[in-house]
Amino acid sequence: QITLKESGPTLVKPTQTLTLTCTFSGFSLSTSGVSVGWIRQPPGKALECLALIYWDDDKRYSTSLRSRLTITKDTSKNQVVLTMTNMDPVDTATYYCTHRRETADGFAYWGQGTLVAVSS
Amino acid sequence: DIQLTQSPSTLSASAGDRVTITCRASQSISTWLAWYQQKPGKAPKPLIHKASSLESGVPSRFSGSGSGTEFTLTISNLQPDDFATYYCQQYNSYFSFGGGTKVEIK
Repeated sequence: QITLKESGPTLVKPTQTLTLTCTFSGFSLSTSGVSVGWIRQPPGKALECLALIYWDDDKRYSTSLRSRLTITKDTSKNQVVLTMTNMDPVDTATYYCTHRRETADGFAYWGQGTLVAVSS
Repeated sequence: DIQLTQSPSTLSASAGDRVTITCRASQSISTWLAWYQQKPGKAPKPLIHKASSLESGVPSRFSGSGSGTEFTLTISNLQPDDFATYYCQQYNSYFSFGGGTKVEIK
C-alpha cells in the first residue's frame, strides 16, 4: 500500500523560507522510473506543479518558481523535502506530495495535502 | 510552457446524463495526458492516464480519448458521486494542469 504524508509549518511569515517534508511508504525512490513531486493549490484555484525529483536524482522545476525552489530526496528515510524561499501571501495554498510509478504515468498517488498560510 | 484550456469551466447536469469535458493543449502532447477528479477539501483522485487508460478501481462510465492537442473526458450515466471538479494535466513537457471543470447538479 502506497502512502504519502506532508509535514511542515501551517503558518509562515512573508520573506521566510518554507520547508516541507514528504514521508512516503510502499515504494522506493531508488526504483527506476519512479518520481515524487510537489503540487500546490491556492484556495479556490487550480493545481500547479512545483517540482519533481526522479529516482536518479534528476530534478524538474516550475519555470516561474525555479529560482525559489529546491527539491531533495533521502532514499534511506523515504523522504522528499521541498524548500521555497521568500514566501509571499500569494503562496498561501494547500501543498500536496505526489508519486508517479513510471514516466508514462500521471500522478497516481497523492498525500492528503497540507495548508500553508503566509501572513505576518 | 504548455498551456491547457478546459471547457466548459462549469457544467450543469443531472444524474443519468452523459457529459463531456474538453481539454486543449497549446502544442502537441501526444497522449501524455491525465485526468483527475477533485471534491472539496480532498486531494485530486486520478481517473485516467496516457489519455485513455483507466486507473485501477475507476468505474467504466469514465472514459478518455484524444491525442495531439485535443482531448475529452466523458462520463456516461452520471452518478451522484460524480459531481465534482475535473482537471486535465499534461506530462509531455514538464507538467501543467488545466483550469478545471466543475460539474454541478442541474
